[in-house]
Amino acid sequence: NAGVTQTPKFQVLKTGQSMTLQCAQDMNHNSMYWYRQDPGMGLRLIYYSASEGTTDKGEVPNGYNVSRLNKREFSLRLESAAPSQTSVYFCASRALAGGHDTQYFGPGTRLTVL
Amino acid sequence: GEDVEQSLFLSVREGDSSVINCTYTDSSSTYLYWYKQEPGAGLQLLTYIFSNMDMKQDQRLTVLLNKKDKHLSLRIADTQTGDSAIYFCAEETDSWGKLQFGAGTQVVVTP
Repeated sequence: NAGVTQTPKFQVLKTGQSMTLQCAQDMNHNSMYWYRQDPGMGLRLIYYSASEGTTDKGEVPNGYNVSRLNKREFSLRLESAAPSQTSVYFCASRALAGGHDTQYFGPGTRLTVL
Repeated sequence: GEDVEQSLFLSVREGDSSVINCTYTDSSSTYLYWYKQEPGAGLQLLTYIFSNMDMKQDQRLTVLLNKKDKHLSLRIADTQTGDSAIYFCAEETDSWGKLQFGAGTQVVVTP
């Protein structure tokens, strides 16, 4: 099992450009999450998908959209990138849609917006 | 603002014990987690504790939970250079698995 994979690993964008961050998991997990990590602030939840076909906003959803394409894949889209979106983005998944389970994280995508 | 607070930096000598502290504010949190992040990598789950427990031990790791004070600590015995990393405390805020993270504690192990 590859676990949680993310592409690309690195990306540089100009202000106003759009892009989609891809995330896939091969663990047959129901729930998937997108976080951003900024220096000194820990991880903050952008969006999550409790189960296939559902998505919900997290703590910092503005400027982002998501798609739960199928059970395996959960993408994050920046329609018009801004310098404030320079960050490291992590995708995570967990088996259960409700109740307790642990989250497993991907390696991250390092995004710079100029 | 963050509901989970951690000290930002800890320096420890190789072979000594490390203690990383965390405070949280949501008394309804059911699970609390410790994650480790090495440079350039994602987060690796180290351990977790259920809120009705006071202590959990897992090899070199000991987690202590004081629910009254909403204080969580992670003790690493016999700290090694490979333990140098950022350690995140997180609380599970609902049954959908949403986690609230602290800012992370940078642990530097010196020979």
